[in-house]
Order: sequence, then C-alpha cells, then structure tokens
Amino acid sequence: QQQVKQSPQSLIVQKGGISIINCAYENTAFDYFPWYQQFPGKGPALLIAIRPDVSEKKEGRFTISFNKSAKQFSLHIMDSQPGDSATYFCAASLGTNAGKSTFGDGTTLTVKP
Amino acid sequence: DAGITQSPRHKVTETGTPVTLRCHQTENHRYMYWYRQDPGHGLRLIHYSYGVKDTDKGEVSDGYSVSRSKTEDFLLTLESATSSQTSVYFCAISTGPGNSPLHFGNGTRLTVT
Repeated sequence: QQQVKQSPQSLIVQKGGISIINCAYENTAFDYFPWYQQFPGKGPALLIAIRPDVSEKKEGRFTISFNKSAKQFSLHIMDSQPGDSATYFCAASLGTNAGKSTFGDGTTLTVKP
Repeated sequence: DAGITQSPRHKVTETGTPVTLRCHQTENHRYMYWYRQDPGHGLRLIHYSYGVKDTDKGEVSDGYSVSRSKTEDFLLTLESATSSQTSVYFCAISTGPGNSPLHFGNGTRLTVT
C-alpha cells in the first residue's frame, strides 16, 4: 500500500515558468511533510518542509501548499531555472517515528533554457 | 553532506555472495537509516537505528541485516546477494527526535550479477 502518491512522474518546463508537483497521502497521522531535491550522483537534500498547522510555506522561489482536508500537498517552483533540473521527492513522516519517512516515487524535472 | 560518508561508492558482486556497506558519520547523531532507491519506487526504508545496538526493521528488510556497534558507524549487510538487490543504497541521519529532516550520504551503487 503506497501511502504517498506523487505526480507527475516527469515534467518539462520552460525557463521562467512555474513547475508544480503534487503529492497525496493517506495516513492522517502524518505531521511532517518535507520535499527533497536530488541531483544525479548525489543523495537527496532537504529543499523545504511544512507542518500541517499551516497552509503554505514559502522559501525564495519554492512554495509548499498544504491542504489538510484533501490530504494533499504540492511544491511550486516559481521562475524555474535550468539549475532546478533535478528529481524531486515528497515525503511524509510521524513525529513519533523520527526519520521514518515515507517517500513518493519522485518527479524528474527538466527546465529548458 | 552532514558529515556522512558511504563506502564503497560502487560495487559489483555476484549472486549469493555476502556484501557489507558502510555508513560513517562524524556528528554523533543517534538516528541513522538505510534506504534503497529504485526507479519508480522512490526511497524505501530498509533498517534504522536509534542508537548503539538499537536497530529495527523498515518496510523492505528481507535479505538485509544491520549492525551498529559505535555511534558513528552503521553497517548494512546483504547476507546472500540477489539480483533484486541491485539498487542505489543511501544512508541517512536525522538530528531528531521529533520531526526533523533526513540528511543523506551520496549513496552506494550496488550491482548484483
């Protein structure tokens, strides 16, 4: 049973455009929702994270939107740049199980110049 | 990289042989994890540790064992490697407890022939 479903699997965006990646979760007890960015040959690295007590968090060009009632959250990348080309993973975890995160399957983002 | 070193970075081994992957951290964190990454499957938790000699199974633990005799080292052993264990293996630490992001090493690419 996949507890975190991520879409789309791949995404191509023009430079300057908006990239949107969506995730849906099933376990309503999840209380921490990070997004990770991964470049080829490297491990995933934390990009931005949100807790369910807020509906939106913004850090620079990256925004997480969170909809608790729909059990969905999304990553928006504004003014997408070729350097943003990477694989993005959403994840969800329980505070009582520190670090035992459940990951989405990943989205490969390509930003064309 | 949060002071995480994985070794080896690449390994090719034959079916049926035992393999040990090493994760070494320099920052004395309690929480350590082994994930595997496969195309279309995101990252899946194999085993985790909350301290020296305190380990437990994740969602895909069959065929794997772990040991943690020192805070800084977390070893993953494939008891008898199979082709289905061909994957990229990531070690991660969490600064936990509670909800904290994962910090990943750069992975070990294992090929079982």
